[in-house]
Amino acid sequence: AQSVAQPEDQVNVAEGNPLTVKCTYSVSGNPYLFWYVQYPNRGLQFLLKYITGDNLVKGSYGFEAEFNKSQTSFHLKKPSALVSDSALYFCAVRDLNRAGGTSYGKLTFGQGTILTVHP
Amino acid sequence: GAVVSQHPSWVICKSGTSVKIECRSLDFQATTMFWYRQFPKQSLMLMATSNEGSKATYEQGVEKDKFLINHASLTLSTLTVTSAHPEDSSFYICSAFSGRGADTQYFGPGTRLTVL
Repeated sequence: AQSVAQPEDQVNVAEGNPLTVKCTYSVSGNPYLFWYVQYPNRGLQFLLKYITGDNLVKGSYGFEAEFNKSQTSFHLKKPSALVSDSALYFCAVRDLNRAGGTSYGKLTFGQGTILTVHP
Repeated sequence: GAVVSQHPSWVICKSGTSVKIECRSLDFQATTMFWYRQFPKQSLMLMATSNEGSKATYEQGVEKDKFLINHASLTLSTLTVTSAHPEDSSFYICSAFSGRGADTQYFGPGTRLTVL
């Protein structure tokens, strides 16, 4: 079975500093990895995804993520944080292993990381 | 990115009544739609997966007779909470997916249900 771990419940950074939100995963095959952001009382907004190709993926709002197969990680990064980046961030992996039965095609989410950017 | 709408955005109802939530994919055909439930400061809990034209597949522990899901077209899925009770109060989020492995799953803005 696939799983995603976000080891930090909260991340605090000062505005203008770089930020990293960590994510590690476990899948039986090649991973399809996603990052989403959720603002209060809103649905999830797609930030970026890794399917194949370059390990560094660039996404919306200046975010990027680095896929590291040996460390099974997909950390979200931004060179310079903004106060408006403060939100709840979710890492997710899609199961494309047909042996996974009813979980095929579904996203498995991490528990989420609250990012707070201080002025 | 693709747009998924959800209606209503919030609803308050009395215990025992039924509530219907609509989820629409506005600019792509969603062969698969997912319904999630989210408790405060927690991750999303998948309730069910619906494929257009077929019966929904419910996750373990989710009552299919209480949470009725219909996916009648490639752009519309509905979730009906039947005989709602206060414990059903939650944030419900739908998600639409084209069905192709590498494609992105897009989420609706969510519906806040409060049962009095």
